[in-house]
Amino acid sequence: DGGITQSPKYLFRKEGQNVTLSCEQNLNHDAMYWYRQDPGQGLRLIYYSQIVNDFQKGDIAEGYSVSREKKESFPLTVTSAQKNPTAFYLCASSIFAGTGNYGYTFGSGTRLTVV
Amino acid sequence: AQSVTQLDSHVSVSEGTPVLLRCNYSSSYSPSLFWYVQHPNKGLQLLLKYTSAATLVKGINGFEAEFKKSETSFHLTKPSAHMSDAAEYFCVVSDSGAGSYQLTFGKGTKLSVIP
Repeated sequence: DGGITQSPKYLFRKEGQNVTLSCEQNLNHDAMYWYRQDPGQGLRLIYYSQIVNDFQKGDIAEGYSVSREKKESFPLTVTSAQKNPTAFYLCASSIFAGTGNYGYTFGSGTRLTVV
Repeated sequence: AQSVTQLDSHVSVSEGTPVLLRCNYSSSYSPSLFWYVQHPNKGLQLLLKYTSAATLVKGINGFEAEFKKSETSFHLTKPSAHMSDAAEYFCVVSDSGAGSYQLTFGKGTKLSVIP
């Protein structure tokens, strides 16, 4: 079945540590996105990529980094510069980069906790 | 600029009674509108979408929504609530202007279903 796979499901980070969240899709979608979800705040866009080897900052990119070396993969690194990283992270993809008309397909999320 | 307001952060209904989740939007262009559902610790699943075709949109699990341009609303309804409907629901807007790529999410409405 086609879909988006996020791993790990749960992740714990120590202070000052970088961690990487994985996102892989086999839908042949052009665009991929990373969102952060906090209780009562909806989803906020961290980074997005419309094409391989290109990505753009979203609304809350500080403290995060991404890469898009393959169409199928869009990993997110939470760096030590992100002061409040505890949240639920969602990866999504869409058919066309230039329109939202088709909606997004979401992964099942990664819950990151700072310990 | 686009925005979306979900008018209730929490809605509680009895099983078998109707569900109404309210959403108002603001958009500079002809919008695409979506409703997503999220069960605890899961990703988001697309319920239905409006993309300038019929104003009454039918989705999965018996949900439907009506696009009312004059009221800038896109309320989600279901005739009879089921226990499995208990989840969080997000109203989402996307401008259909040139180059539009981004979805804007509401802050969510948590639906509780009382047995």
